[in-house]
Amino acid sequence: AAGVIQSPRHLIKEKRETATLKCYPIPRHDTVYWYQQGPGQDPQFLISFYEKMQSDKGSIPDRFSAQQFSDYHSELNMSSLELGDSALYFCASSSSGPLTNTGELFFGEGSRLTVL
Amino acid sequence: SQQGEEDPQALSIQEGENATMNCSYKTSINNLQWYRQNSGRGLVHLILIRSNEREKHSGRLRVTLDTSKKSSSLLITASRAADTASYFCATDAGPGKLIFGQGTTLQVKP
Repeated sequence: AAGVIQSPRHLIKEKRETATLKCYPIPRHDTVYWYQQGPGQDPQFLISFYEKMQSDKGSIPDRFSAQQFSDYHSELNMSSLELGDSALYFCASSSSGPLTNTGELFFGEGSRLTVL
Repeated sequence: SQQGEEDPQALSIQEGENATMNCSYKTSINNLQWYRQNSGRGLVHLILIRSNEREKHSGRLRVTLDTSKKSSSLLITASRAADTASYFCATDAGPGKLIFGQGTTLQVKP
């Protein structure tokens, strides 16, 4: 069965550079979520999208932006990178939609960002 | 953590023993979910319990929910070395938003 695909899997950037992470949800899933997980930390909710519109927003820095495209894939853009941005970034998808309670999320394997 | 604490933070047991992990949360919920994460990998959904349910079973997993105490527990029976992972509870903070607890790292020794 198709899973959530994230790319790149690993990314190394210098401080103040920009990075873009991509996420391809499971086919027919209409909701995409982004999470950030620092070393030894729990996943922190960043932002979610339903049908290409922002659904909810968490602790996403102003330096970060995200969008969902017409083919439902999503991109997380990170600018002016800081050392503290080094983390695993997970994308998840679901077919819950915005009008129902959040059900099961299907996670990708994550993109590991290292900022030097 | 935005939502609460998990207890214990780390647990080490022998294969065949049972493992119990607890989770507390702060706000009212619609449902509570448990996820498993192998080191450096993505999270995998284990089980979902709704706010009007008190107990749920799935294979070797048993989840309880006490909404009056805002707490949940995950019991893994007859543990196996392959159960070694981190386990997170997560609560829905509204459509499109799932908040995770701090997680319990479980080590099952063969």
